[in-house]
Amino acid sequence: GNSVTQMEGPVTLSEEAFLTINCTYTATGYPSLFWYVQYPGEGLQLLLKATKADDKGSNKGFEATYRKETTSFHLEKGSVQVSDSAVYFCALSHSGGGADGLTFGKGTHLIIQP
Amino acid sequence: SQTIHQWPATLVQPVGSPLSLECTVEGTSNPNLYWYRQAAGRGLQLLFYSVGIGQISSEVPQNLSASRPQDRQFILSSKKLLLSDSGFYLCAWTWTATGYGYTFGSGTRLTVV
Repeated sequence: GNSVTQMEGPVTLSEEAFLTINCTYTATGYPSLFWYVQYPGEGLQLLLKATKADDKGSNKGFEATYRKETTSFHLEKGSVQVSDSAVYFCALSHSGGGADGLTFGKGTHLIIQP
Repeated sequence: SQTIHQWPATLVQPVGSPLSLECTVEGTSNPNLYWYRQAAGRGLQLLFYSVGIGQISSEVPQNLSASRPQDRQFILSSKKLLLSDSGFYLCAWTWTATGYGYTFGSGTRLTVV
């Protein structure tokens, strides 16, 4: 079956530090890959996505590249801010339409200190 | 534009009481609809999904049920809540288009006491 593995944290960084949150996946076929962010007490928001190999998703300074050869979709940001503190979820869905929903990693709690 | 509404935001219920959480989507038709649960310290677990009125697929056996009485309405229910039903419940929708992102509601924090 499908699965997503990501570092759980918490990951604590200082403001302006470089961020990497690793995500690897197991799936048949060619899934679409997503990063979602959950701020305290809120639902999930789509941060970025990639639908095929070598695609790079980007948003709000965050980037992730779909690497089929390493089955990875690592999230990066060059300079984090306190406002980036949140839980980040890596997820995949099948390219066949996604009727079976998303498969999520367990989430990475990111804490940015001023 | 499309919006998704989920209520209530917070709920405290005694063990053995019934549950009804509602989710509605506006601005689209025939969406795929989903219920997820996020238990404390754990990731997101898909509970149910629906591709049309009256069509419900269950991912895990549990004390919960789901219904879709209208195209854009998705309801999560229980006849008798258990302590283990506590968690953060999220409704989501998507189109069937390949790779289209899922949009989530703001969630319901359920505490069973």
